[in-house]
Amino acid sequence: DAGVTQSPTHLIKTRGQQVTLRCSPKSGHDTVSWYQQALGQGPQFIFQYYEEEERQRGNFPDRFSGHQFPNYSSELNVNALLLGDSALYLCASSLKDYQPQHFGDGTRLSIL
Amino acid sequence: DAKTTQPPSMDCAEGRAANLPCNHSTISGNEYVYWYRQIHSQGPQYIIHGLKNNETNEMASLIITEDRKSSTLILPHATLRDTAVYYCIVRYTSGTYKYIFGTGTRLKVLA
Repeated sequence: DAGVTQSPTHLIKTRGQQVTLRCSPKSGHDTVSWYQQALGQGPQFIFQYYEEEERQRGNFPDRFSGHQFPNYSSELNVNALLLGDSALYLCASSLKDYQPQHFGDGTRLSIL
Repeated sequence: DAKTTQPPSMDCAEGRAANLPCNHSTISGNEYVYWYRQIHSQGPQYIIHGLKNNETNEMASLIITEDRKSSTLILPHATLRDTAVYYCIVRYTSGTYKYIFGTGTRLKVLA
């Protein structure tokens, strides 16, 4: 039973570029959340997708957008990259509201 | 801001029980307590969660006080592989789906 998988594992971009990160949820899960984790900090919630719609959003600018596909997989897009966007981006999936979220190992994004 | 308070770091001798405290004094009646840990360069790993009763699984035990204002995660026989950052999370009001992480407790298991 595959867990949450994310791709790519590492990515290097330059300021101003755009990036797309991908996530496949754990089998049987229908909800995907995205988090940003800066070095030395706890993860911060970006947004959550359910039934292909953004259900809740954290305190992130519109440069951060996402999408969920009919097979429940998801993408995180970040436009106009800033140096401060360098972080580990984590995807988590779950089935019901109160069930635990299961995390992937993340994509390490470095902005030069 | 995170609604939980945890000590920034703790040490534990290998083979001993590790008891990690968490304060969540503003918790409300329908909010669960979740515990995760994060080993360097990996995503957070789910450990256990509970509402009001004590819970136990193959990884750990969760003790929640009667007033629900604090909890303790117990790793009964800590090993070196348990060295990680441990996060205590309270899920907010119903209809709120996000986790809000604090800075967690960095547990170091000593040989």
